[in-house]
Amino acid sequence: DTAVSQTPKYLVTQMGNDKSIKCEQNLGHDTMYWYKQDSKKFLKIMFSYNNKELIINETVPNRFSPKSPDKAHLNLHINSLELGDSAVYFCASSQRGAADTQYFGPGTRLTVL
Amino acid sequence: DAKTTQPPSMDCAEGRAANLPCNHSTISGNEYVYWYRQIHSQGPQYIIHGLKNNETNEMASLIITEDRKSSTLILPHATLRDTAVYYCIVRVVTSGANSKLTFGKGITLSVRP
Repeated sequence: DTAVSQTPKYLVTQMGNDKSIKCEQNLGHDTMYWYKQDSKKFLKIMFSYNNKELIINETVPNRFSPKSPDKAHLNLHINSLELGDSAVYFCASSQRGAADTQYFGPGTRLTVL
Repeated sequence: DAKTTQPPSMDCAEGRAANLPCNHSTISGNEYVYWYRQIHSQGPQYIIHGLKNNETNEMASLIITEDRKSSTLILPHATLRDTAVYYCIVRVVTSGANSKLTFGKGITLSVRP
């Protein structure tokens, strides 16, 4: 079974549209994250949630709204998509504790035309 | 979190050991050294972490100098599937309130046949 899964794997859409990316983890972790990897391959944290509570919000535009219906899910909704939103988005999860190792999903490649 | 410095790239022959260096001269006493890797088009994958003692697991060994200002990730018998970008990350492991990973540029390891 896949530990951290994301859907869809690819997403191609027009500017101005609203889209969502879903993430689920079956590891029983209490913390989930969204990272963005841009065209230059830099990976940056966007958000983290712990037990459905927002912990980190790294100055991401408010067009991006994470939603955590339960500990196992953290979805990313993006309003009014812009060209600069094109990137690969990775979801990750971890369990708070000594190691706090993060496990990443396979990524969602978003292309905004 | 302390900053890390890695060479941009290196290569090694298949079957030989790959030694990936990382400098973290400003590391503080409560910061761990983590290594992740990202194989092309996949999500980052945790490899190993340590505080001050050398560590070994099924994937790699981590050697941390006595002054903790640098470390080396060792892949004992590199295979073609180890070709990836390897990230050395230094971070405080807290109770999870702010447990983001700050990725640098990493080092691109190319394993040649």
